[in-house]
Amino acid sequence: AQSVTQLDSHVSVSEGTPVLLRCNYSSSYSPSLFWYVQHPNKGLQLLLKYTSAATLVKGINGFEAEFKKSETSFHLTKPSAHMSDAAEYFCVVSDLAGGYQKVTFGIGTKLQVIP
Amino acid sequence: GAVVSQHPSWVICKSGTSVKIECRSLDFQATTMFWYRQFPKQSLMLMATSNEGSKATYEQGVEKDKFLINHASLTLSTLTVTSAHPEDSSFYICSARVMGRGGLGTGELFFGEGSRLTVL
Repeated sequence: AQSVTQLDSHVSVSEGTPVLLRCNYSSSYSPSLFWYVQHPNKGLQLLLKYTSAATLVKGINGFEAEFKKSETSFHLTKPSAHMSDAAEYFCVVSDLAGGYQKVTFGIGTKLQVIP
Repeated sequence: GAVVSQHPSWVICKSGTSVKIECRSLDFQATTMFWYRQFPKQSLMLMATSNEGSKATYEQGVEKDKFLINHASLTLSTLTVTSAHPEDSSFYICSARVMGRGGLGTGELFFGEGSRLTVL
């Protein structure tokens, strides 16, 4: 079975402080994992992806995530939040379930950045 | 990265009319495109997988006669909401998959900007 759990529906941080958005997954196959960001009334933009290469993945805008198989986690981090980071973030798992690609989205985490 | 264009961005229509939303891959060929629906404050819900040259695969609970999907070329998929009603008002997003190495399911998904449908 494939599933994604984003542990926090809402995260609030002060500008300049670290960001941590948590994501746990389950997959019966070797998964690919993604983080997407969605600004209001916009489509989704890929931040970063893990596809069985290096477990620490660096993405755009200073974000990075670490794939931890033992913990089935793929948490998103950023050392210092910027006002422009305020958006909705989705963790996504993708695998070949039953021979075809299956993609599951988490429910999203809304990041609020306080000036 | 690859670009997916979705049109229109906003559409308002009367109840009972049909609305067509286009999804184009601008700089790559997409044999598979996905259509999602997003309700307010919720995640994306996969509606159907659109395969070029064949019938779309619909997720459980999605009415195929209500949401017609056509994928006539490698760069264009369309979603037609037939006889739209207010409950169909939503944010519809398409995505196209770029194949990963070896054609396995590791390809990145590129998303359109979305189409906000309001049915009066």
